[in-house]
Amino acid sequence: DQQVKQNSPSLSVQEGRISILNCDYTNSMFDYFLWYKKYPAEGPTFLISISSIKDKNEDGRFTVFLNKSAKHLSLHIVPSQPGDSAVYFCAASKRQTGANNLFFGTGTRLTVIP
Amino acid sequence: DAGVTQSPTHLIKTRGQQVTLRCSPISGHKSVSWYQQVLGQGPQFIFQYYEKEERGRGNFPDRFSARQFPNYSSELNVNALLLGDSALYLCASSLGTSGQGSYEQYFGPGTRLTVT
Repeated sequence: DQQVKQNSPSLSVQEGRISILNCDYTNSMFDYFLWYKKYPAEGPTFLISISSIKDKNEDGRFTVFLNKSAKHLSLHIVPSQPGDSAVYFCAASKRQTGANNLFFGTGTRLTVIP
Repeated sequence: DAGVTQSPTHLIKTRGQQVTLRCSPISGHKSVSWYQQVLGQGPQFIFQYYEKEERGRGNFPDRFSARQFPNYSSELNVNALLLGDSALYLCASSLGTSGQGSYEQYFGPGTRLTVT
């Protein structure tokens, strides 16, 4: 049972434009959300996170938006750069349970076209 | 500062054999988690250890076991290997399991296990 879903396997964006990656979750116990970027032959790299008490968190070119009522979050990358081309994973955890193990989506492959 | 390190990088084993994977966390991190990533999927949680104690276990058979040492490094053991165990095994470390700064996990490069 996939509790975190990324329904778009791939996304292509022109350099300089905005990339929007989407993620949905089903478990209302999730209260902390993270985005990771993964290059081939490397482990996932932490990008940005957001607590369920917020609806937006920004770090440089990366902004994560959380819509709790819709159980949906998105990652915006502006402007997109060719070096952003990678697989992006959405992850969630249940902080209130005292554990921080992560539940991952299946990933979205972003290609930024120069 | 060194990140999470894992060894070996690649491993080829035969069905029925046993394998041990190793992980060293970021300095100062006391929690280590293990994940399995099969092709086309996101990482799946296997185990979490904190201060040498198991703090969580995912939906994996008893053939999978792990431990954490006093220096916070960890080993993942898989017995009686099956073809389906072929995957990238990722280790992640965090400061702890709860509290400020504990919710971000930092991953190593992984060990690619191939079972033939």
